[in-house]
Amino acid sequence: SQQGEEDPQALSIQEGENATMNCSYKTSINNLQWYRQNSGRGLVHLILIRSNEREKHSGRLRVTLDTSKKSSSLLITASRAADTASYFCATDARTGRRALTFGSGTRLQVQP
Amino acid sequence: NAGVTQTPKFRVLKTGQSMTLLCAQDMNHEYMYWYRQDPGMGLRLIHYSVGEGTTAKGEVPDGYNVSRLKKQNFLLGLESAAPSQTSVYFCASSGSGGAPWDTQYFGPGTRLTVL
Repeated sequence: SQQGEEDPQALSIQEGENATMNCSYKTSINNLQWYRQNSGRGLVHLILIRSNEREKHSGRLRVTLDTSKKSSSLLITASRAADTASYFCATDARTGRRALTFGSGTRLQVQP
Repeated sequence: NAGVTQTPKFRVLKTGQSMTLLCAQDMNHEYMYWYRQDPGMGLRLIHYSVGEGTTAKGEVPDGYNVSRLKKQNFLLGLESAAPSQTSVYFCASSGSGGAPWDTQYFGPGTRLTVL
C-alpha cells in the first residue's frame, strides 16, 4: 500500500482561489516532499519539509507538517491556470531503503 | 546541463520481446532510480542504485533488471515484455553530496506499450 495518500484525488477551482491538498502517511519520516507533474511530463520538485519543521513557505506555496497526525498539507495561494497539474507528496519512510515513496496524487484543475 | 535524459521517449513492443531503457544524468549524482507510473496512480519504485556498480530492488522489481556500470548511466532492462509492463517509466537522480532522500530530479519519461 502507498505510504502517502493524497486527498482529494481531484480538485477544480477558479483562477485566483486558493487550493489545498492533503497528504497522510503511515510511518515515521525524515522529511516530506511535494512534487508537481504537468500532463505528459516528469515530476518537478516543489518543496521539502523536514520532520522537525512545522511550516514552510516558497513563493505562493505553503506546506505544513503535523508529525503527530502523520499528515501534511500543500496550499497554493492565488492560483493560476498554469498551476493545473497533478501534485504528489513523497516521503522517506525510514525503512532503510534509500528512496522516496510517492502517493497517488491530487489532480488540480484551475479554470481561467 | 541537460539534467536527466531518457532514451527512447516512446516504444511499442510485442509480448516476449526485450528492450533496454537508458537513463543518463550530468549532475554527478550518486543515487539513481527507476519508477513506473500507471494511469491515475503515483510512482512505484522498480529498482534503484546508491552508487556506481550497485543496484537494489524497489517495490515492484519483478520482470526488470538494472545495471549501473557508469556513475552517470542507469539502464533498465525488460527481458521478456508482458502487457502488464505497459506503463510510463521515469528515471530520477539525487544526492550530489546530500542524503539520498533529498530532492530528486526526474527525466521526461518513456512511454512503453506492450501488445
